[in-house]
Amino acid sequence: DTEVTQTPKHLVMGMTNKKSLKCEQHMGHRAMYWYKQKAKKPPELMFVYSYEKLSINESVPSRFSPECPNSSLLNLHLHALQPEDSALYLCASSHAGTGEVEVFFGSGTQLSVL
Amino acid sequence: LAKTTQPISMDSYEGQEVNITCSHNNIATNDYITWYQQFPSQGPRFIIQGYKTKVTNEVASLFIPADRKSSTLSLPRVSLSDTAVYYCLAPTSGSARQLTFGSGTQLTVLP
Repeated sequence: DTEVTQTPKHLVMGMTNKKSLKCEQHMGHRAMYWYKQKAKKPPELMFVYSYEKLSINESVPSRFSPECPNSSLLNLHLHALQPEDSALYLCASSHAGTGEVEVFFGSGTQLSVL
Repeated sequence: LAKTTQPISMDSYEGQEVNITCSHNNIATNDYITWYQQFPSQGPRFIIQGYKTKVTNEVASLFIPADRKSSTLSLPRVSLSDTAVYYCLAPTSGSARQLTFGSGTQLTVLP
């Protein structure tokens, strides 16, 4: 199994809603990532988890709250988002460590904030 | 983090070989050069990775000169389905891969 599974594939939410994005992998990877991608722009790193601990937060607003309940799961909790937060949210995973490491991406959650 | 520079766009015709060059002047000693492909509304897909000289897999070749300040992705005999954005990255080597995507190269394959 070399997949990173993200749910839901599409999400529409209002600015007062609370929702969560979910990500799952069963490749034994101990590094997991959240990226945000606006249309026709490259992906931007948001958060990095290494061995289930948050290691990098790229100055992301607190309305985005990541969580890594175990080594296979990664969540992104959303609250009080703005319309400009509408984007494709990508989850990724990889082995931790040095050398040749492939990062696997999920298909993403297309989020629309109304 | 190594900054990468690549052409914004390239056009090619079906059946041709396409070479996309990337510049990474400040690549660190331990960094590997990695290329990803991305189709619209999908996650990036790993293509190939290398440290030096030449690496080949079933879909592409990667050429890296001795100074490692640039690299060239070679796609043999492209088809229409190879139309995508191609990203060159030099991720940091550590407990996690901090991928910093540049603008990428939009490759358009024409019939």
